[in-house]
Amino acid sequence: ETGVTQSPTHLIKTRGQQVTLRCSSQSGHNTVSWYQQALGQGPQFIFQYYREEENGRGNFPPRFSGLQFPNYSSELNVNALELDDSALYLCASSWDTDQPQHFGDGTRLSIL
Amino acid sequence: GQQLNQSPQSMFIQEGEDVSMNCTSSSIFNTWLWYKQDPGEGPVLLIALYKAGELTSNGRLTAQFGITRKDSFLNISASIPSDVGIYFCAGQRYGQNFVFGPGTRLSVLP
Repeated sequence: ETGVTQSPTHLIKTRGQQVTLRCSSQSGHNTVSWYQQALGQGPQFIFQYYREEENGRGNFPPRFSGLQFPNYSSELNVNALELDDSALYLCASSWDTDQPQHFGDGTRLSIL
Repeated sequence: GQQLNQSPQSMFIQEGEDVSMNCTSSSIFNTWLWYKQDPGEGPVLLIALYKAGELTSNGRLTAQFGITRKDSFLNISASIPSDVGIYFCAGQRYGQNFVFGPGTRLSVLP
């Protein structure tokens, strides 16, 4: 039990729609990172938030955006969904940016 | 960008055998992490390594931070069926974000 929860567990959307995924981190974890994991691959870094400010971004377009809130929750928003956005989206939290990250079980997003 | 390679990509072993896998990079890392992911779940942290040459155990699992700081190794002794899953390494350089390898898929034959 990592103390990191994500919702929803599964989601089906169509191309062009927008989606918001949510994550609740462990209390006291100031850092949250979001990853995209395609089938059969390792997690790919989307971005990280530290104390509600973006602290690094991977090679993802601007239609991927995020927020981190003071209550240790966070959101990943994706606009103009594309078929290739179908993946498992994982959030991971840690005490600080250089500490081991603890993952939630992810949201499985399917784009039709 | 930084990339990690994991070897082997997949392996089938008999229950009771020892398992070895590794993770390599062209870059130097300051932290190495090992995770295990079961189907339908997120990765679970197994071992964290912070110093070149460091050897750390967690039950039947032992991981090492390579002395070149460009690699790390994970060994599992006396494998059991619940060891089945995908093992990921992750590395971090100072001030940068963690990078994950593509994983080693382990299957254990009874």
